[in-house]
Amino acid sequence: AQSVTQLGSHVSVSEGALVLLRCNYSSSVPPYLFWYVQYPNQGLQLLLKYTSAATLVKGINGFEAEFKKSETSFHLTKPSAHMSDAAEYFCAVSEVQGAQKLVFGQGTRLTINP
Amino acid sequence: KAGVTQTPRYLIKTRGQQVTLSCSPISGHRSVSWYQQTPGQGLQFLFEYFSETQRNKGNFPGRFSGRQFSNSRSEMNVSTLELGDSALYLCASRFGQGAMNTEAFFGQGTRLTVV
Repeated sequence: AQSVTQLGSHVSVSEGALVLLRCNYSSSVPPYLFWYVQYPNQGLQLLLKYTSAATLVKGINGFEAEFKKSETSFHLTKPSAHMSDAAEYFCAVSEVQGAQKLVFGQGTRLTINP
Repeated sequence: KAGVTQTPRYLIKTRGQQVTLSCSPISGHRSVSWYQQTPGQGLQFLFEYFSETQRNKGNFPGRFSGRQFSNSRSEMNVSTLELGDSALYLCASRFGQGAMNTEAFFGQGTRLTVV
């Protein structure tokens, strides 16, 4: 069965500092991996996705993630945090089947300190 | 192009009642999935519909049901509401199924409060 573990339910960084949100997955087949962001009282917005093309994936708002099969990881990074990045971030995995479902991690709340 | 639309945005119901939530996918999208989000359990998959057929179902009791219409709009129904059903219910749409259609677009959700 698929699973996702996000290390750290809360991460706090200073404005301008590096953002690193950790995600490890478990999947019996080559996975499809996603990072979503959720702002208060909003739905989920896709930041980026890995679909077995390039292992380094660039997304919106300056975020990127690297797929490392040997470490079963898909960590999300941004070189310089902005106040507007404060939100909850979810890593998700999907196996390619006829019908798909996303399995989400528990989420990481990112706080940006001025 | 309009995004995924969920109605209503907020709902308050009494324990024991039933509720129906609606989701209109992005135009042209044929796959609709539903998720429940709670502080304790996080985001959990409820079910997915494609071409009016349920294709996958999560681990929820039979009180949770759904359907999809010929125009791809979907509804989910929860009967005999319990306090624990209080959650944000999110709908996601995708163009189709399979390897070329992995990206899911989410609506803003319906916040259900059971009192």
